[in-house]
Amino acid sequence: QLQLQESGPGLVKPSETLSLTCTVSGGSISSSSYNWGWIRQSPGKGLEWIGNIFHSGSTSYNPSLKSRVTISVDTSKNRFSLKVSSVTAADTAVYYCVRHYGSGFDYWGQGVLVTVSS
Amino acid sequence: DIQMTQSPSSVSASVGDRVTITCRASQGISRWLAWYQQKPGKAPKLLIYAASDLQSGVPSRFSGSGSGTDFTLTISSLQPEDFATYYCQQGISFPITFGQGTRLEIK
Repeated sequence: QLQLQESGPGLVKPSETLSLTCTVSGGSISSSSYNWGWIRQSPGKGLEWIGNIFHSGSTSYNPSLKSRVTISVDTSKNRFSLKVSSVTAADTAVYYCVRHYGSGFDYWGQGVLVTVSS
Repeated sequence: DIQMTQSPSSVSASVGDRVTITCRASQGISRWLAWYQQKPGKAPKLLIYAASDLQSGVPSRFSGSGSGTDFTLTISSLQPEDFATYYCQQGISFPITFGQGTRLEIK
């Protein structure tokens, strides 16, 4: 059974960089059938797609965050990562890593709450 | 960006009721639509993909229909575990976008 697990600091200071890692178990991140991504949910709010990394290694980011976001993959460790620079309180959210297949996201991590505060 | 609009924003219903949630896309998305269920404190769960295909393990009381701009999620006979928030999501173009959610509450 495929599992995704987010890890990283739960508290980040304003203007600093948020860094999260998603470790994939029970399957290979290198499979050409799937892409991988990040989605966030601000407290009490809806879902916001942050970006994807494709099996080719290319990426696509939400324009609302594009200049601040980097998604990368480490196939040797079967994991992928998210960096969001110059964070503000508006970046406080639960961050989910996901597997993207076809029209939807079929596997989700449990989510990690990241709070931006000094 | 493609805007996804769900209605209603919230609905109250009883166990055994039939409930329908609608989702409208701001432009045609063919059948590139997914539905999710989210319970408090949990990650969303994929219910329906490609507008009408049931994800493995999802009960058959859930069904989806539609194409183009108008879509529906129907729960044929509500069970206690179905009370949650439901989201639609378009997957035809980036940025991927979600509806604002529909909260399904117990009457």
